[in-house]
Amino acid sequence: KQEVTQIPAALSVPEGENLVLNCSFTDSAIYNLQWFRQDPGKGLTSLLLIQSSQREQTSGRLNASLDKSSGRSTLYIAASQPGDSATYLCAADSGNTPLVFGKGTRLSVIA
Amino acid sequence: KAGVTQTPRYLIKTRGQQVTLSCSPISGHRSVSWYQQTPGQGLQFLFEYFSETQRNKGNFPGRFSGRQFSNSRSEMNVSTLELGDSALYLCASSSGTGIDTQYFGPGTRLTVL
Repeated sequence: KQEVTQIPAALSVPEGENLVLNCSFTDSAIYNLQWFRQDPGKGLTSLLLIQSSQREQTSGRLNASLDKSSGRSTLYIAASQPGDSATYLCAADSGNTPLVFGKGTRLSVIA
Repeated sequence: KAGVTQTPRYLIKTRGQQVTLSCSPISGHRSVSWYQQTPGQGLQFLFEYFSETQRNKGNFPGRFSGRQFSNSRSEMNVSTLELGDSALYLCASSSGTGIDTQYFGPGTRLTVL
């Protein structure tokens, strides 16, 4: 059974800092790994999807990497801004099975 | 392209009542998944419908049920509400085939008193 863990649960950084969010999963037989952002009381916004054959994906200041062999993914945020404050969730997709989510990392970027 | 819509956005019910939540997927998407989100348990999968058939089911009691219509719109129903059913209920749509991003709606906040 797939389990996804995100560490740390919460993170507070000053504006402008580069930061890394971690995600680990127990079953390496995944099709893809997705990163989402959730603002308080809102739905999820997809940030990046990394297919199992890929190593990383980039979108603007965001870069996500995937290492299936070690069961890890990281989300790198460059030059953080207060608007980046949100909860970041990763989810493992093992094919025609439901997404399995981590509990998220709550990020606060202080101006 | 319009996003995923969920109605109602907020709902307050009392224990023992039942509730129906609605989700309209992105046009052309045939898969709708439902999730329950609580502070303690995080996001937990309820069920997925694809072309009007339940394709996957999570580990929730039978009080939680769903269906999908021919236009891909989906409803979920919770009967005999309990205090612990208070949560944000999210639905997500996707094409349902191949490697595909799920697109989430804004959620329905259910409070059970």
